[in-house]
Amino acid sequence: GAVVSQHPSWVICKSGTSVKIECRSLDFQATTMFWYRQFPKQSLMLMATSNEGSKATYEQGVEKDKFLINHASLTLSTLTVTSAHPEDSSFYICSASFSGRAQEQYFGPGTRLTVT
Amino acid sequence: KQEVTQIPAALSVPEGENLVLNCSFTDSAIYNLQWFRQDPGKGLTSLLLIQSSQREQTSGRLNASLDKSSGRSTLYIAASQPGDSATYLCAVGSQAGTALIFGKGTTLSVSS
Repeated sequence: GAVVSQHPSWVICKSGTSVKIECRSLDFQATTMFWYRQFPKQSLMLMATSNEGSKATYEQGVEKDKFLINHASLTLSTLTVTSAHPEDSSFYICSASFSGRAQEQYFGPGTRLTVT
Repeated sequence: KQEVTQIPAALSVPEGENLVLNCSFTDSAIYNLQWFRQDPGKGLTSLLLIQSSQREQTSGRLNASLDKSSGRSTLYIAASQPGDSATYLCAVGSQAGTALIFGKGTTLSVSS
């Protein structure tokens, strides 16, 4: 099956710093990648949709200048949390789909971000 | 706007019981529905994917049904085991290649 990886799996950073999270599709080319956020005991909430070579589409209430998304290739999308604050501490999960099997999404293992 | 609800929020059963998890969605115009498993602090494991034209899917002890017209899906787990303890998430896709909308999940605890 299709595999999606995320790096790092967990990260601790100080308030005010920036953190970059990578999402890679290992054995397929992802035409679309999605970034979700999950707070403790809550469900996954979509943050943004990313298509290769174009600007990401952000969901209402998600600050595009704070959560920078780059989808420079068909196998890599990055999420950068800029000027992180403790309230940004969360579990960030990416998923990817490709045109051949657009009906199914493949999820990465997630990145636990803790901002101190 | 599509909303996905899962009932119950939590469920505790003794080992060996058969159980049903429920998922409902407000907009019946869906493309597909997926059931996932999530262990504490971990990512998602896809369990079953049902296309909108399908009524059910089976994998081992798991069976998922879909009734699009009534906006409901159920996940049936047969002969539950302690290893089944996890949170089960239901997610709906409105179109091919679009993001999924998730329910809040049902946390299952199976005691030995």
